[in-house]
Amino acid sequence: ETGVTQSPTHLIKTRGQQVTLRCSSQSGHNTVSWYQQALGQGPQFIFQYYREEENGRGNFPPRFSGLQFPNYSSELNVNALELDDSALYLCASSLSAGSYEQYFGPGTRLTVT
Amino acid sequence: AQTVTQSQPEMSVQEAETVTLSCTYDTSESDYYLFWYKQPPSRQMILVIRQEAYKQQNATENRFSVNFQKAAKSFSLKISDSQLGDAAMYFCAYRIKAAGNKLTFGGGTRVLVKP
Repeated sequence: ETGVTQSPTHLIKTRGQQVTLRCSSQSGHNTVSWYQQALGQGPQFIFQYYREEENGRGNFPPRFSGLQFPNYSSELNVNALELDDSALYLCASSLSAGSYEQYFGPGTRLTVT
Repeated sequence: AQTVTQSQPEMSVQEAETVTLSCTYDTSESDYYLFWYKQPPSRQMILVIRQEAYKQQNATENRFSVNFQKAAKSFSLKISDSQLGDAAMYFCAYRIKAAGNKLTFGGGTRVLVKP
């Protein structure tokens, strides 16, 4: 059974650009959540996808968007990058939307210059 | 607003000794889960222990135990017989059962283990 994987590991972008981060869920998991973790802080919930539909969103602007595919892998897209978007982006998968246990990936470190 | 507060930015413990990390939270909900996660330098969040709010008995997982005080909205983590591998950031978090898998995290406590 493979764990949650994310790609790329590190990424450097320029302000105003767009970025796509990818997450491969643990086998059999149909729910994925994305979190933003700024340096020295706890993660903040961005949104959750359950069976390809967004079904929960945190306090993030619409330029943060996502997709979940039929194989339950997922993407996080961020448009019009700002310097404050520099952070570690974590995805977490779970068996279902009501599961108490989530399995986190190692994250993607995004730096916006 | 629902918040989680970890008042200790950093805690140091001697190997084989015990350390307690504090966490308080604020929610108007009655049905929720509480968690402690460990984040080592590898960055991957690892679940240490969880507690269901309706259970009065404190959860225990090997060397890790919690002191859950629901009325005080307090959820501390005790690490016994500390090991070098316990060195990491520790995050307290909660999840409201009706809110899907959304976790609300505290700011974290760094645990240093001295040999």
